[in-house]
Amino acid sequence: GQSLEQPSEVTAVEGAIVQINCTYQTSGFYGLSWYQQHDGGAPTFLSYNGLDGLEETGRFSSFLSRSDSYGYLLLQELQMKDSASYFCAVGVMGGGNKLTFGTGTQLKVEL
Amino acid sequence: EPEVTQTPSHQVTQMGQEVILRCVPISNHLYFYWYRQILGQKVEFLVSFYNNEISEKSEIFDDQFSVERPDGSNFTLKIRSTKLEDSAMYFCASKKGSYEQYFGPGTRLTVT
Repeated sequence: GQSLEQPSEVTAVEGAIVQINCTYQTSGFYGLSWYQQHDGGAPTFLSYNGLDGLEETGRFSSFLSRSDSYGYLLLQELQMKDSASYFCAVGVMGGGNKLTFGTGTQLKVEL
Repeated sequence: EPEVTQTPSHQVTQMGQEVILRCVPISNHLYFYWYRQILGQKVEFLVSFYNNEISEKSEIFDDQFSVERPDGSNFTLKIRSTKLEDSAMYFCASKKGSYEQYFGPGTRLTVT
């Protein structure tokens, strides 16, 4: 089976940088994705890592180390609107490439 | 920008009743999924669908669940006899072929 661990909550101030870690155990791993979810909303794709290293998309970056089964999402220049839940999700090969989601990290951005 | 749509946004039903949740995936996408999220919990995979057949299903997706793509645009999830524990937000998702799955806004199912 698959398991993913994330911190349950993170609090940071506007303008700061925050890192949300994700460790996983899975077979057939092909990539790690990050999704943002505002209360009551749909998960929205943020970033994907299929290979080791850093991927940068604007204020958001994501990192993967396959050998360590570890990744993180880095959010820079935090804004109030970044307050949301952030989920890491592993993609596994075969069977339509389902996503297995982590438990989610609730990010609260304060003034 | 194309998006996944779902109807209804909220469905209330009595235990034992059948419900059909509807989704219209993005038109040129090939892979379709249903996920669910119980309030305050993580998103859980239910089923994936490709080339007009189920490609994988989870343990949650038992005989009470079924999926259909009745025409070229709709993708439905049927729960034959709902239970209280089926109360959740149900998300449809689709993708073209890459890794990025696009999620619909969800249907909140409340079973009383």
